[in-house]
Amino acid sequence: DSGVTQTPKHLITATGQRVTLRCSPRSGDLSVYWYQQSLDQGLQFLIQYYNGEERAKGNILERFSAQQFPDLHSELNLSSLELGDSALYFCASSKNLETQYFGPGTRLLVL
Amino acid sequence: KNEVEQSPQNLTAQEGEFITINCSYSVGISALHWLQQHPGGGIVSLFMLSSGKKKHGRLIATINIQEKHSSLHITASHPRDSAVYICAVRVNYGGSQGNLIFGKGTKLSVKP
Repeated sequence: DSGVTQTPKHLITATGQRVTLRCSPRSGDLSVYWYQQSLDQGLQFLIQYYNGEERAKGNILERFSAQQFPDLHSELNLSSLELGDSALYFCASSKNLETQYFGPGTRLLVL
Repeated sequence: KNEVEQSPQNLTAQEGEFITINCSYSVGISALHWLQQHPGGGIVSLFMLSSGKKKHGRLIATINIQEKHSSLHITASHPRDSAVYICAVRVNYGGSQGNLIFGKGTKLSVKP
């Protein structure tokens, strides 16, 4: 158990819908990272937050957004969902730039 | 060309064999991570390296910054080592410090 929690574990939805994925980092970790893992693209970095502020942005679509709240939990919002958004979404947390601890992931299926 | 290349893509070994997985990268990095992804999907961070060598149990990771290359070795492999091993580099350029760029992974299967 990494200490990082993600909810929900599984999510099935339809094209065009909007979903919110939630991540609670390890106690004391200020950084939260979001990653997408699809069959054809592998793992890709989406976005990083540090203590509530956006720190770095990767291959995140404009339909996707994220935020980190004062209690340090983070949410990833995915809107206007397409079939190709079906993937495993991981969040990870770390103390600054140290080892990242991964959550169990949310498996999203868009039908 | 991918910025992070791993080889081999797939590896089958007999229990007890010594295993090496390689990772080459083409970007400036501040650190390199080795991750293990179990069949159920969970990801565990094995090592974070910025130079030299680290050892944890039967796992050894090395990095050569000049050659932009890292290796992950597993000694006395066991069926429970069967997993996908992923190399990821932490970039150190521009405003993207902290981002990880991932290799496509090496799928290891250890037969009893």
